[in-house]
Amino acid sequence: AQSVTQLDSHVSVSEGTPVLLRCNYSSSYSPSLFWYVQHPNKGLQLLLKYTSAATLVKGINGFEAEFKKSETSFHLTKPSAHMSDAAEYFCVVSVGGSQGNLIFGKGTKLSVKP
Amino acid sequence: NAGVTQTPKFQVLKTGQSMTLQCAQDMNHNSMYWYRQDPGMGLRLIYYSASEGTTDKGEVPNGYNVSRLNKREFSLRLESAAPSQTSVYFCASSELYSHNEQFFGPGTRLTVL
Repeated sequence: AQSVTQLDSHVSVSEGTPVLLRCNYSSSYSPSLFWYVQHPNKGLQLLLKYTSAATLVKGINGFEAEFKKSETSFHLTKPSAHMSDAAEYFCVVSVGGSQGNLIFGKGTKLSVKP
Repeated sequence: NAGVTQTPKFQVLKTGQSMTLQCAQDMNHNSMYWYRQDPGMGLRLIYYSASEGTTDKGEVPNGYNVSRLNKREFSLRLESAAPSQTSVYFCASSELYSHNEQFFGPGTRLTVL
């Protein structure tokens, strides 16, 4: 069975410092993995996705994530945080098959201090 | 191109009342989904429709019914609302295969008193 664990429920950084949001997954086969972002009172927007191509995936707004099969991790990083990055971030794994169902982590709330 | 639209944006119900949440997508996607989002729980799948004419239960289907009206529209019905159904509901759509991203609507914030 597939599952995903976000290791931090809340991360706080200062503007201009690096961001690291941690995610571990469990999957019985090679998974598809996603990071979504949700700004307050908004819907979810895809940041990036991994689908068994390059292990380092670049997304929007300067975010990237690295798929590490040996560590079953898919951590999200950004070199320099911006105030507009304050949001909730979800790590997501695909169930697989043709139905496309997704399993969401519980989310990490990112706060950015000026 | 509106993407995924949901109506209403907000709703307050009394316990026992019924209502239908509407969702439509204009991206010609085959698959559609209904999720609920509760604090600290992420998103949990209620029902999904892999293609027009089919629907299946997700992780938390109890108390809900769905209808895939056509390829564009997928509605979620609460027959007898309960306070435990107070949540934010998101509709999403995608192409058929697991590596394709899901596109989300703006959500419906439902309060059941």
